[in-house]
Formats: sequence, C-alpha cells, structure tokens
Amino acid sequence: SQKIEQNSEALNIQEGKTATLTCNYTNYSPAYLQWYRQDPGRGPVFLLLIRENEKEKRKERLKVTFDTTLKQSLFHITASQPADSATYLCALGGRGSTLGRLYFGRGTQLTVWP
Amino acid sequence: DVKVTQSSRYLVKRTGEKVFLECVQDMDHENMFWYRQDPGLGLRLIYFSYDVKMKEKGDIPEGYSVSREKKERFSLILESASTNQTSMYLCASSLGRVLSSNQPQHFGDGTRLSIL
Repeated sequence: SQKIEQNSEALNIQEGKTATLTCNYTNYSPAYLQWYRQDPGRGPVFLLLIRENEKEKRKERLKVTFDTTLKQSLFHITASQPADSATYLCALGGRGSTLGRLYFGRGTQLTVWP
Repeated sequence: DVKVTQSSRYLVKRTGEKVFLECVQDMDHENMFWYRQDPGLGLRLIYFSYDVKMKEKGDIPEGYSVSREKKERFSLILESASTNQTSMYLCASSLGRVLSSNQPQHFGDGTRLSIL
C-alpha cells in the first residue's frame, strides 16, 4: 500500500526565514499532490495543488515543487510569520475508480517564533 | 465559498449506543468523505460517496456505516459505539469525478466524539 512521510512531526523556525516542509511517498504514482493547512480544532484548508507534469507552483509566499523521480514534494513558506504557525498536510491523488480520493500524510507542525 | 457543516462540535456518548454524525455541504458537490483524525495517526478515511445512495469503504470501515439519501447530506453511523472510537471526526466534500480528478477537498470543523 502507499506510504506517505512528512519530514518531521515538528519544525521550529524564526520569523522571516523560509520554512521548508518535505513530503515523500512510496508505492504510489500520484497524478497530483495537494497541500493543506490545519489550525488547532479546525478542519484542514486547501492551499495548493500541483500536477505530475508540473515542476513548481507558486501562490504569494508559498511555493510547491514536485519531483516524480525522487517521489518527493517540497513546500516552502518564504518570509515566514508567526501567523503561519499551523500543521501542514500533504495529500496524494490518483486516477481510475478512486477519483477524488486523497491519501494524507500525518502532517508537520510548524511553529514560527518572533 | 463552500461550506461544510457538521452537526456537533463536541459529543459525548456511552459504550454500546448507536451514534449519528451528520454532515451537510451547500455547493452541490458529488463527492463526500468521512475521516477520523487521531494524534500520531493523521487522517484516516472511513467511508466515501460519489453519489446519492452510493458508498465505498475507506481504510478503516469496521464498526461504521454511512448513509447518503440526499446529495448534500452524508451521515456517519457508529452502530455500537466503543471507547476506541473516541476521536475527532472530519467530513469533507469535493466537486465530482466527472469534471476533474484533482479537486480539493473542503472540510468541516470536525466533531470531537468521546465514548465513555
């Protein structure tokens, strides 16, 4: 079965630095990959999607890369702020009869300190 | 904006009770999902549905059932609640399989269920 690993359970960085979160996967060939943000006591919120034929996607201070050879996605937050503190989840999606279903990683808890 | 509403934020039930968790979405989405989220285990899919009266098992369906009588509503049922079903339950919806396979999921804010 597919396995998704996010680099660590927790990441602490100083305000203004770039946060880099990693999502690695095995036993799967996703057609796309999504990143979500989850705040305590709330449901995940969609941030970005990148398809298998795309190398990089950007949205404001967020950047996602997708390397299907390495089976890895990197999620960057530039000029990080304390308000970026949250848990970030990666999710893989595929083709065929399971259209719409996502496989989620366990998440990385990011803390940005002033 | 898509709104996914779960009927309760907090719920306390007793072992052996039949428990109903309700989820409603207001954007005419075809796909709906039920997950549970536990510390260290992440989001695990229980059941999902592509259409009215249609359901498919996820990764951990044992002890649960679902009902989708109307497109906007997806119910999760704990047939006989047990303490190991204490968890955060999250409902989500997405646009639909016909249009695109890569639609994001929109989540409710969850029901924290405690089984005593």
